[in-house]
Amino acid sequence: GAVVSQHPSWVICKSGTSVKIECRSLDFQATTMFWYRQFPKQSLMLMATSNEGSKATYEQGVEKDKFLINHASLTLSTLTVTSAHPEDSSFYICSARDREHEQFFGPGTRLTVL
Amino acid sequence: GQNIDQPTEMTATEGAIVQINCTYQTSGFNGLFWYQQHAGEAPTFLSYNVLDGLEEKGRFSSFLSRSKGYSYLLLKELQMKDSASYLCASMDSNYQLIWGAGTKLIIKP
Repeated sequence: GAVVSQHPSWVICKSGTSVKIECRSLDFQATTMFWYRQFPKQSLMLMATSNEGSKATYEQGVEKDKFLINHASLTLSTLTVTSAHPEDSSFYICSARDREHEQFFGPGTRLTVL
Repeated sequence: GQNIDQPTEMTATEGAIVQINCTYQTSGFNGLFWYQQHAGEAPTFLSYNVLDGLEEKGRFSSFLSRSKGYSYLLLKELQMKDSASYLCASMDSNYQLIWGAGTKLIIKP
């Protein structure tokens, strides 16, 4: 199956700093990528849908100025958590959709904000 | 509105069979997915149904009834490693996945 990578796998940062997470589709072109957040013992929450070359579509309640998404190419999307605070600590997962509309998940990034 | 319902938690015995049900209501329908998620890991794909009927894949099978808006995931010969959350997701007319909250499956020896 198709492979999606995420980097970094985990990150610890101080409150107020910004963190960038990369999501790459390694062996296919992904016109659409999705960013999810998952808090412990809760389900996946879609944050935003990212289409290559256009602005991301954010779900209700997700601050677009805080969670910056860039989908510059068909194989790379980035999520930047700006001015991170402890409540942003979560498991962030990206997925990439291929031309057959199948979604493949990255391994996730665990963010801890101190 | 769009809605996916599945039980919050189920318990089963090693070696037994368990069926996890899912009902869905979405704007349009382009298929029903089941994913497995172990704690602290990303979801992994298990099955995809777009036509009515049963799809068997080893110890796992998935069933779909589009007229009833209903699917189930059947796990046979349960193993301890099957302890995980199982996520049901319906793909709507925009090819967007609408996720259920997941069913936590606990396997006991």
